[in-house]
This record gives sequence, structure tokens and C-alpha cells, in this order.
Amino acid sequence: EAGVAQSPRYKIIEKRQSVAFWCNPISGHATLYWYQQILGQGPKLLIQFQNNGVVDDSQLPKDRFSAERLKGVDSTLKIQPAKLEDSAVYLCASSFGTTSYNEQFFGPGTRLTVL
Amino acid sequence: KQEVTQIPAALSVPEGENLVLNCSFTDSAIYNLQWFRQDPGKGLTSLLLIQSSQREQTSGRLNASLDKSSGRSTLYIAASQPGDSATYLCAVSSNTGKLIFGQGTTLQVKP
Repeated sequence: EAGVAQSPRYKIIEKRQSVAFWCNPISGHATLYWYQQILGQGPKLLIQFQNNGVVDDSQLPKDRFSAERLKGVDSTLKIQPAKLEDSAVYLCASSFGTTSYNEQFFGPGTRLTVL
Repeated sequence: KQEVTQIPAALSVPEGENLVLNCSFTDSAIYNLQWFRQDPGKGLTSLLLIQSSQREQTSGRLNASLDKSSGRSTLYIAASQPGDSATYLCAVSSNTGKLIFGQGTTLQVKP
């Protein structure tokens, strides 16, 4: 079974520029998560989708971050405009079910550097 | 608000030693607890998932325990190997499936 795919793997941009990340979850997984992991810290949830609806976006900086999940499959996360403090690894994860008992599987992440 | 703490932040042991990593959480109303491994520059690999009704899970040389009432979990690694060197993260799940992570324990196993 193919894992969670993410692209690009690395991105370097100047502050105030925009950037977009893409995630393709494991086939058949209804729930998709985007996490932000700052160096030296554990991942923090940005947004959670259940099929193509948003379950939790309470920690998403909505003035600059946006995310969508088209047709309940792929998802994109966008930052516009980027700030220095957005430098982090952005991890996408998916799980089969829509309950809290389902194991989450993570992609390799996108490492963003904002200069 | 749920908070997850992992102690120690870093650990260095000689090859072959048995070791224990600790994870504590402030709110016992969790749905599951997962232990992950993260290699430098890589994503997270799930090691063990313990449902809230379970006390422990085992996979190979790994054993994870869960004590909800005291808000603690431990990851036991038997006969450590240099290939076990990585950062280990524990995370607890809320009722929506959201994972709340600790900051991780970075393990180095010396040959």
C-alpha cells in the first residue's frame, strides 16, 4: 500500500512570498491532517479534514494560511504572505476512519525555509 | 488544555542496553496514545498505538505501556542497537482524532 505523498520535499522562499504544499493521502483514508513542526518541537495540528469538510482549524493562522481538500482526496496548504517564523516542516497525515481510535500515518514532510 | 511532556529530552546509551522513555500527559481523558519514531529530516513512523482501554502494546523489541489514571506512558526498548538512534515522540489523541505531541526524546545508541 502506498504511503502518504507530499511535495515538494524542500522549499526556500523570501519573506512575504507565497508558497503551496500538496498532500495525497493513503487511498481510502477519510481523514487528513496538516501539522507544523518547528525545529526542536513536536508537531502541532494546523487543520483537520474529514472527507472534504473541516473538523478543526483552531490553530491555523487564518490571516495567512489556507487549506483545501478537493473531492475529499488531495489537499493543498498555502501560506501567503510567508513570515520568518513559518520556517518549519509541514507534515501531512491521514487515517482511515473518522474516529479518534484510528492510527495516523504520516508523509515525509515539506521543509520550508523563509529567508 | 492537554499538555504532553517527554523526559529526558536526550539520552545516550551503549549498544545492548535496555532503556525506558517516559511520556506524561495532563488530561487523562484521552482516546489513544501513539509512539512515533522520527529520523533526521524524515517524517514520522508509527511504532505503537495503545487504545485508551488497553494497558500495553508490544512490537518486537518495543513495549509501550499506558496508565491513564496517572497520566503516564513508557516506551521500553530492549537490547538497543545503533539503528535505534532517532527522536521518539509520543502523542495523545483527543475525541476528534487530533494528536497532541510531546517535544520528543532524542536517543543515541553508541556502538
